[in-house]
Amino acid sequence: DTAVSQTPKYLVTQMGNDKSIKCEQNLGHDTMYWYKQDSKKFLKIMFSYNNKELIINETVPNRFSPKSPDKAHLNLHINSLELGDSAVYFCASSQGTGPRGTQYFGPGTRLLVL
Amino acid sequence: AQSVTQLDSQVPVFEEAPVELRCNYSSSVSVYLFWYVQYPNQGLQLLLKYLSGSTLVKGINGFEAEFNKSQTSFHLRKPSVHISDTAEYFCAVSEVIQGAQKLVFGQGTRLTINP
Repeated sequence: DTAVSQTPKYLVTQMGNDKSIKCEQNLGHDTMYWYKQDSKKFLKIMFSYNNKELIINETVPNRFSPKSPDKAHLNLHINSLELGDSAVYFCASSQGTGPRGTQYFGPGTRLLVL
Repeated sequence: AQSVTQLDSQVPVFEEAPVELRCNYSSSVSVYLFWYVQYPNQGLQLLLKYLSGSTLVKGINGFEAEFNKSQTSFHLRKPSVHISDTAEYFCAVSEVIQGAQKLVFGQGTRLTINP
């Protein structure tokens, strides 16, 4: 059983389109995250949700809108895609919000905007 | 805000040789440090973490790391590497922002094992 899963694995689309990435975790965790990994492999947090409530929003453009329908799911919708959105997007989950927790990562979604 | 610096972007090593991947963090009162590994085309996997107590931390796959407060370092070591250790390695510091855990990652070190 995959602990944190993401769909799709690959996403190729044109500039200006709207797309969504889905994430599901079966670990029973109450906190989920979205990270962006750029072409230089640099990883940066975008959002964090705890019990379906947004708690971290790291100055991400309004075109990115996360949604958490329940504790096991965190989706990411991106409007008006731009070339600079090309990256690998990782979902992660953990139990609790303290600094000692281990985050478990999904396999990533590779987004290419043409 | 805390930060992490990984001093080497790439480290080539021969198989069965020892390796050290260097990580320095910005000083703070409480420090929680992590090493994650990313195999090609995969997500990140926890190797080990330092929360408190013994400064020598053992992780999976034969890796270990030493927390050194005076040097503000958390270097990762393995005495003998295998081809399968080829991957990107990330050091991270954990902090709490707006009541939530935030991992701040270093730039990553690509470990390449040559036969």
